[in-house]
Amino acid sequence: GNSVTQMEGPVTLSEEAFLTINCTYTATGYPSLFWYVQYPGEGLQLLLKATKADDKGSNKGFEATYRKETTSFHLEKGSVQVSDSAVYFCALEVNDYKLSFGAGTTVTVRA
Amino acid sequence: EPEVTQTPSHQVTQMGQEVILRCVPISNHLYFYWYRQILGQKVEFLVSFYNNEISEKSEIFDDQFSVERPDGSNFTLKIRSTKLEDSAMYFCARQQSGGNNEQYFGPGTRLTVT
Repeated sequence: GNSVTQMEGPVTLSEEAFLTINCTYTATGYPSLFWYVQYPGEGLQLLLKATKADDKGSNKGFEATYRKETTSFHLEKGSVQVSDSAVYFCALEVNDYKLSFGAGTTVTVRA
Repeated sequence: EPEVTQTPSHQVTQMGQEVILRCVPISNHLYFYWYRQILGQKVEFLVSFYNNEISEKSEIFDDQFSVERPDGSNFTLKIRSTKLEDSAMYFCARQQSGGNNEQYFGPGTRLTVT
């Protein structure tokens, strides 16, 4: 089946630190990969996506590269801000339009 | 992107009662979804709804659950007889038709079953 494994949190960082959240997947077909973010008290927001190998998704300073050889889609940001504090979810979709999510990683950025 | 709205934002109900959660997506979207997130756990797919029919449902989506789009606008999730373990955040999502596989989520309804 399809599944997503992402690093467990919580992750606590200082402002301007480098953030990386690991995500690996297993899929029965060729998945599209997503990162969603959930800010406190809000719903899920699409952060970025990649639909084929070696594609790089980017948004708001975040990046993730679709690595088929390692079945990974790690999220990175070079300099985090307090406003980046949120829960981050890696997800995949394989031609069936339903998303399979990872467990989520809580990130707290301290000033 | 236009928002998906969900009502209510929070519902408290007693075990065994029926609840209806509502979602108002943009009317020209054909694909709709319900997901749930039990506190501290991952977001789980419940059901997908395409062209006014269920296209896929998960093991969680048993006979206690139903979805419909009664007036072509609101998209509802009904739980006929709630259980304690139904307590969760329920998210509606919509997807634009035409091959774009991005899903856009509403803010969620927090359901608390006591």
